[in-house]
Amino acid sequence: GEDVEQSLFLSVREGDSSVINCTYTDSSSTYLYWYKQEPGAGLQLLTYIFSNMDMKQDQRLTVLLNKKDKHLSLRIADTQTGDSAIYFCALGKYIFGTGTRLKVLA
Amino acid sequence: DAGITQSPRHKVTETGTPVTLRCHQTENHRYMYWYRQDPGHGLRLIHYSYGVKDTDKGEVSDGYSVSRSKTEDFLLTLESATSSQTSVYFCAISGEANEQFFGPGTRLTVL
Repeated sequence: GEDVEQSLFLSVREGDSSVINCTYTDSSSTYLYWYKQEPGAGLQLLTYIFSNMDMKQDQRLTVLLNKKDKHLSLRIADTQTGDSAIYFCALGKYIFGTGTRLKVLA
Repeated sequence: DAGITQSPRHKVTETGTPVTLRCHQTENHRYMYWYRQDPGHGLRLIHYSYGVKDTDKGEVSDGYSVSRSKTEDFLLTLESATSSQTSVYFCAISGEANEQFFGPGTRLTVL
């Protein structure tokens, strides 16, 4: 079956850039997604990329897709304390990674 | 915010009792989903629905059943709750690019 892997934790200083990585085995998804989950809340869609694109930029967020290596990344520029949350990558409709907990240090 | 609500938001029950969780949407979306979230597992799909009375199983459907008698409501039932079903349950609907919009979740504890 499909496998989506993420590192568990990432810690960065406020103002630095954060890069959250995701690797996957199934390459048939039309779209790939990034979601954010704050404590006690449901997942919130951040952005998504069409599978025939290499990059998508949306304000402070940059998504990079390397189809050859089956690698997806989310870069958050100028990371703020409000960005502290768990970030999930997802393939297709309902294949989710295990999540990366981002901690932003003031 | 997508108009998705879940009820109850918190529930504590005992092993062997039936439990029903409700998801209600005001967006008139065709597809609805139930997930459970557990540490180390991310989100796992339990069941989904592609229309009224049309449902199918997900990755972890054992011990769960669903019903959808109206477009706006999707019910998840644990016929006989077990401690392994202690989890946070999320309902979702999907948009035009299959992106998911989630409800606020139900925290279920089975003692």
